[in-house]
Amino acid sequence: DIVMTQSPDSLAVSLGERATIYCKPSQSVLCGSNNKNCLAWYQRKPGQPPKLIIYWASTRESGVPDRFSGSGSGTDFTLTISSLQAEDVAVYYCQQYYSIPFTFGQGTKLEIK
Amino acid sequence: EVQLVESGGGLVQPGGSLRLSCAASGFTFSNYWMHWVRLAPGTGLVWVSRIHSDGSITSHADSVKGRFTISRDNAKNTLYLQMNSLRAEDTAIYYCTRSGISPDFDYWGQGTLVTVSS
Repeated sequence: DIVMTQSPDSLAVSLGERATIYCKPSQSVLCGSNNKNCLAWYQRKPGQPPKLIIYWASTRESGVPDRFSGSGSGTDFTLTISSLQAEDVAVYYCQQYYSIPFTFGQGTKLEIK
Repeated sequence: EVQLVESGGGLVQPGGSLRLSCAASGFTFSNYWMHWVRLAPGTGLVWVSRIHSDGSITSHADSVKGRFTISRDNAKNTLYLQMNSLRAEDTAIYYCTRSGISPDFDYWGQGTLVTVSS
């Protein structure tokens, strides 16, 4: 199984400042079929289901604000929120869909400082 | 509008069974892979099962293999999860989710809570 390790486990950032979350798969998640990284990011707010925000490691889902961006390749990935807003408080998860079983990171709790 | 609505959760004793359902609407259900993902306290998100659009292919996580069975009825636009031999560690919110054009999970239901306890 591919182990997804996120860092940090929790993060406190001031409003308007940059937030950066890291995700490290235990092996490459580069999909050979299309040369894209099979990695997604989700946002989960309290009492709500997870919401897809980034797929193919860097493609923003429709309707997601452009302050959210994803980058990386192979075994090192980053989710960046360029200017933190109050509504961004949530737990963020990375996930690989390179191979079964699909696996998630342990989650990073993002709070306002 | 895509909607996924789970039902069937509840309190069950260890060793018991439950059948979860997920009613889909707002898209052509028979064209999509569907999945169950669970969220347990202190465990995070865990993928449980998947099923091909026509039901011909299924996969399960090792932790539920032999106990859980995913199925679908495309005529009823409904996804199912039959859960047998339930254990305390199966306690979680169970989400129905869809794979989009890319294999990520682009839509999620609100979830249904399963509690396994005596």
